[in-house]
Amino acid sequence: SQQGEEDPQALSIQEGENATMNCSYKTSINNLQWYRQNSGRGLVHLILIRSNEREKHSGRLRVTLDTSKKSSSLLITASRAADTASYFCATDLGAGGTSYGKLTFGQGTILTVHP
Amino acid sequence: DGGITQSPKYLFRKEGQNVTLSCEQNLNHDAMYWYRQDPGQGLRLIYYSQIVNDFQKGDIAEGYSVSREKKESFPLTVTSAQKNPTAFYLCASSIRDRADGYTFGSGTRLTVV
Repeated sequence: SQQGEEDPQALSIQEGENATMNCSYKTSINNLQWYRQNSGRGLVHLILIRSNEREKHSGRLRVTLDTSKKSSSLLITASRAADTASYFCATDLGAGGTSYGKLTFGQGTILTVHP
Repeated sequence: DGGITQSPKYLFRKEGQNVTLSCEQNLNHDAMYWYRQDPGQGLRLIYYSQIVNDFQKGDIAEGYSVSREKKESFPLTVTSAQKNPTAFYLCASSIRDRADGYTFGSGTRLTVV
């Protein structure tokens, strides 16, 4: 079964609005990562948050991690039409800074930003 | 520029045929991975390799085989035993035992005809 489950499955917003995507997972993690995929392309790494971190920023991206609830959120602020893509969370299973060396991906959220 | 290259971009397979998907990287990464993606789905791990001449099965290895004879290369063979091979196949690489951030190839779309 999938480690990560994402919510919502699809999100449609207008340019300039914020987009929030959520990810829940089941077991202990070493880190959690977010990736973006444009249609028919490979995935691109966006941001990584370690299990001992609670919040991280990168440009217009803000990621939070709540290990007690086993959940993470990705916020894209001031969205643009070019942000239209699928977004995946991925968990690096492990504990205490030790990675099992492989990622498990969620089902993804399809984000559509209308001009 | 360093990167990871998958070929071909599109591949068609007849029933009963084996086909091999190529994945080459020049990032000097030790670890390489193969994932399968079905329409509207997430990625599922087929095989991964943390070091040359060693690899492990992922969650859906049945009907697939791999080799890791060189650090730069991790080809995936889709055998005739894989009953539903039509999918988008993604190769990735990373620093060994870190999984800090994968670099992905652009994918191979395999269709059974």
